[in-house]
Amino acid sequence: QSALTQPASVSASPGQSITLSCTGTSSDVGGYNYVSWYQQHPGKAPKLIIYDVNNRPSGVSNRFSGSKSGSTASLTISVLQAEDEADYYCSSYTNLKIPGVFGAGTKVTVL
Amino acid sequence: EVQLVESGGGLVQPGGSLRLSCVASEFTVSRYSMSWVRQAPGKGLEWVSVIYVSGSTYYADSVKGRFIISRDNSKNTLYLQMNSLRAEDTAVYYCARSVPASYFFDFWGQGTLVTVSS
Repeated sequence: QSALTQPASVSASPGQSITLSCTGTSSDVGGYNYVSWYQQHPGKAPKLIIYDVNNRPSGVSNRFSGSKSGSTASLTISVLQAEDEADYYCSSYTNLKIPGVFGAGTKVTVL
Repeated sequence: EVQLVESGGGLVQPGGSLRLSCVASEFTVSRYSMSWVRQAPGKGLEWVSVIYVSGSTYYADSVKGRFIISRDNSKNTLYLQMNSLRAEDTAVYYCARSVPASYFFDFWGQGTLVTVSS
């Protein structure tokens, strides 16, 4: 049940776009289209922002988009805003019938 | 409005036990997959356990044999019985919902803090 690999931190200025990566293996990210992304502000519960690789729940800004290539999934945040400053976690289904193995998270800082 | 409210956290000594509860509102727990996810202080998210609609249960290797997930349909409540607690179990524990046949967590509770310390 190894965690997925995410960069520890990413920073950018307001208005810019950033892409967060999430690398797994053929047993998780590469084997299924069940990658999800969560946003977590300090002291708050995680919030689902992308599911099944590239789907947005109702109410989530279209500035968030997801994609996948091989065993690496990506989350793109366009037109970065101050409110996007948070921790972002990817998650994937695995062949061990575990619904969600998580990455270690990426801290996004808006400069 | 869908809500998940956890309770039962607190301070417990190593080797002790604790039972967490998660009361659901505006949906039926038995019709969804329900998981516990934890977050150690300053650390990332770690999936702990799931109970599927079928009743099948799965656990992370780190808690297998010590934790038991269950649900009470009459109370629309999810539980996590935690035994033989260790310092490394210290974390905020969240309950989270998944739509059947999906593998993402669409609603989360606010979390309950478990501290294992002497």
